[in-house]
Amino acid sequence: KAGVTQTPRYLIKTRGQQVTLSCSPISGHRSVSWYQQTPGQGLQFLFEYFSETQRNKGNFPGRFSGRQFSNSRSEMNVSTLELGDSALYLCASSLGTDFSYNEQFFGPGTRLTVL
Amino acid sequence: GNSVTQMEGPVTLSEEAFLTINCTYTATGYPSLFWYVQYPGEGLQLLLKATKADDKGSNKGFEATYRKETTSFHLEKGSVQVSDSAVYFCALSPTDKLIFGTGTRLQVFP
Repeated sequence: KAGVTQTPRYLIKTRGQQVTLSCSPISGHRSVSWYQQTPGQGLQFLFEYFSETQRNKGNFPGRFSGRQFSNSRSEMNVSTLELGDSALYLCASSLGTDFSYNEQFFGPGTRLTVL
Repeated sequence: GNSVTQMEGPVTLSEEAFLTINCTYTATGYPSLFWYVQYPGEGLQLLLKATKADDKGSNKGFEATYRKETTSFHLEKGSVQVSDSAVYFCALSPTDKLIFGTGTRLQVFP
């Protein structure tokens, strides 16, 4: 069974640009969540999608958005990039929405560098 | 609110040494608790979990017990190997997200 895949793996952008990251979940998984990992703030929850609906959102500005398609693939978008957006963005998928009981399977991440 | 505090690293050990990585949490309600591991260049992998007080999670020789009275979920392993070198994250889930600690880097030398 293929794992969670994220594309691209590495990305370099400049301030003010926008970026779109993609995540393909494990086949059959309908929940996709996104996390930002930085040395200073650690791992922080961005949002979760299930059946094309955003179910939960972390404490990030509106520049961070996402969506989920009918095949459960998800994209996240960051507009008007800032230097502080440089981070590893991790995507995780699971069968259901209860994080207590549904194991989260993480992808390898997309490393975004903002210059 | 919900939060996780884990010991700062790096933790440096010789092969076959005993490992403890401390983790304490603050939570409303009764969250599930997790340890994740991140090997270099890879995503996070679930190492073990416990869903209620006094549960012990175990995997690959690692163990952690959900202690409600001390709000702790310390990770232990009796004999570490070089291949255990990684970053370990303690996390809790109140059901709708994962809340992570800052991570502890473990370095094991032969």
